[in-house]
Amino acid sequence: ETGVTQTPRHLVMGMTNKKSLKCEQHLGHNAMYWYKQSAKKPLELMFVYNFKEQTENNSVPSRFSPECPNSSHLFLHLHTLQPEDSALYLCASSPQDGSYEQYFGPGTRLTVT
Amino acid sequence: TQLLEQSPQFLSIQEGENLTVYCNSSSVFSSLQWYRQEPGEGPVLLVTVVTGGEVKKLKRLTFQFGDARKDSSLHITAAQPGDTGLYLCAGGETGTASKLTFGTGTRLQVTL
Repeated sequence: ETGVTQTPRHLVMGMTNKKSLKCEQHLGHNAMYWYKQSAKKPLELMFVYNFKEQTENNSVPSRFSPECPNSSHLFLHLHTLQPEDSALYLCASSPQDGSYEQYFGPGTRLTVT
Repeated sequence: TQLLEQSPQFLSIQEGENLTVYCNSSSVFSSLQWYRQEPGEGPVLLVTVVTGGEVKKLKRLTFQFGDARKDSSLHITAAQPGDTGLYLCAGGETGTASKLTFGTGTRLQVTL
């Protein structure tokens, strides 16, 4: 596979569930990002990882927990979410922190019931 | 907080027409990028401009970065149905190179 992949593509979960989103990049990049895309709101940066180290947490609630075991993989662990957390969650990567050009995955459409 | 306002918010035109999308801010950006996003997919990078006044062309698409690096425009000549999608501008913030501020988006529909 090439580019940035995300699984699952669609997820429906209850407010008491625990689930994880997975992102994998096959581009040899060193920086990875999580974004949230909601209707009627601009794309919001959530987390930035550079060489596996978190360099940005954009005031994200603790019910979202990121994990970056290596430069190719990024996870977003979800627990006790709220209905307003329903959105498209996008993963992106770039050659390194400091590179403006980001390459996005197809996203995970999350619905919290 | 830096904001990027795009206009128009929605645009529906017929094939063959020309259009311009604007991306404006009161803040200065180190770079400006344009992405296109289709339904069910992530944004795809179209172009990056980094110099004030810079103009880049990508086939029928012309991108311009404002002289003061606060605004940008995207002009499409002879639009085609394949141009349909959500167009997003994104500014690279000075001093925090990897942090992009995304615009509010312009949804374009091109019909036959």
